[in-house]
Amino acid sequence: RKEVEQDPGPFNVPEGATVAFNCTYSNSASQSFFWYRQDCRKEPKLLMSVYSSGNEDGRFTAQLNRASQYISLLIRDSKLSDSATYLCVVNMFGSGNTGKLIFGQGTTLQVKP
Amino acid sequence: NAGVMQNPRHLVRRRGQEARLRCSPMKGHSHVYWYRQLPEEGLKFMVYLQKENIIDESGMPKERFSAEFPKEGPSILRIQQVVRGDSAAYFCASSPTSVQTDTQYFGPGTRLTVL
Repeated sequence: RKEVEQDPGPFNVPEGATVAFNCTYSNSASQSFFWYRQDCRKEPKLLMSVYSSGNEDGRFTAQLNRASQYISLLIRDSKLSDSATYLCVVNMFGSGNTGKLIFGQGTTLQVKP
Repeated sequence: NAGVMQNPRHLVRRRGQEARLRCSPMKGHSHVYWYRQLPEEGLKFMVYLQKENIIDESGMPKERFSAEFPKEGPSILRIQQVVRGDSAAYFCASSPTSVQTDTQYFGPGTRLTVL
């Protein structure tokens, strides 16, 4: 079983749609959680950190459920510029782990006009 | 404040040659991580270094790969006797500390092609 699992998609949605991505992680020792965005095989860029209380940044909302080991990202009012691959990432700092990031395979989003 | 710098951006090597990839972390960052992204796959951790120390190399192949982060100069990822399976994008990331909540900032990557 992969440490971080995502539906690879692709998700094809029209502009203005709401789209949700899900991610599960296998190791309960995971400490920190992030969503990164990667465009056309460029470097990953941090989109947002994810907290148990949930957090929102403009059109983006992230949720963490530690009991279910489940992370989600909701994008409202999709824009063409949101087209990218979204990477679910966990950090297992502590317990002998050194802060390395564990990446999911990524979920591809294509927003159509 | 310049971001993480990597060079070269593209590197072509023939089988059996050596590849040297360089990474200069962001100013003030003393922690460097290397990741590899094989075609159509996610990023995989390779090695974590601080100045003059390898902290975690659990993701590094046992043979042909080595990494260093000297007191002066960039971090170097070295691949000896490259094979076609080494063709990938190699990303370096840096952070100011190893605190779990610190963001890792990624460089633009080096795309290695082995002919």
